[in-house]
Amino acid sequence: GAGVSQSPSNKVTEKGKDVELRCDPISGHTALYWYRQSLGQGLEFLIYFQGNSAPDKSGLPSDRFSAERTGGSVSTLTIQRTQQEDSAVYLCASSPDSTGKETQYFGPGTRLLVL
Amino acid sequence: DQQVKQNSPSLSVQEGRISILNCDYTNSMFDYFLWYKKYPAEGPTFLISISSIKDKNEDGRFTVFLNKSAKHLSLHIVPSQPGDSAVYFCAASGFGNEKLTFGTGTRLTIIP
Repeated sequence: GAGVSQSPSNKVTEKGKDVELRCDPISGHTALYWYRQSLGQGLEFLIYFQGNSAPDKSGLPSDRFSAERTGGSVSTLTIQRTQQEDSAVYLCASSPDSTGKETQYFGPGTRLLVL
Repeated sequence: DQQVKQNSPSLSVQEGRISILNCDYTNSMFDYFLWYKKYPAEGPTFLISISSIKDKNEDGRFTVFLNKSAKHLSLHIVPSQPGDSAVYFCAASGFGNEKLTFGTGTRLTIIP
């Protein structure tokens, strides 16, 4: 009964470098969400997947951010040319479907620090 | 524009007493509301939810109240226990809107 897992748990990078964050959802969950929490802020929606497609990318803050999901399972969030304002906790969640009425189960997050 | 607001960043309550956490929203399209609890270095965990067709939902020590006309919901925890110390997030979703919109959280501290 594994929950949502994310890797790495912590990532320190230099400004301008690219980073990849990984999310392994709960097996069988078709919907996958990415959120981020900046210091002192609430959770901010980034993107959600239904299967391998992303019907809603409205939360991605810039074109430096992209995400993909393969095989209806693992998802990768990529941030290119990182900036200091990208420093945040990036959280992944999965749910059995994408109605918004099902509980979303969250992973522990990846803490990203851009120096 | 903060569509979900938790105006109290922190709250301290004596063990055994009632904890009341508040949340206000502005988007009238929201029709489903959830509370999540978050411990340090962990992801949020689901606590309780309520649909807009109800005004109250209860689960053990936790009760959520919804006042649609005031666009306000609250979470009551009674009796409060030390293990309830955490950050509590209010979240909302709307019809055809799969993403959750979160408030900024309230840090609850239960004093033994």
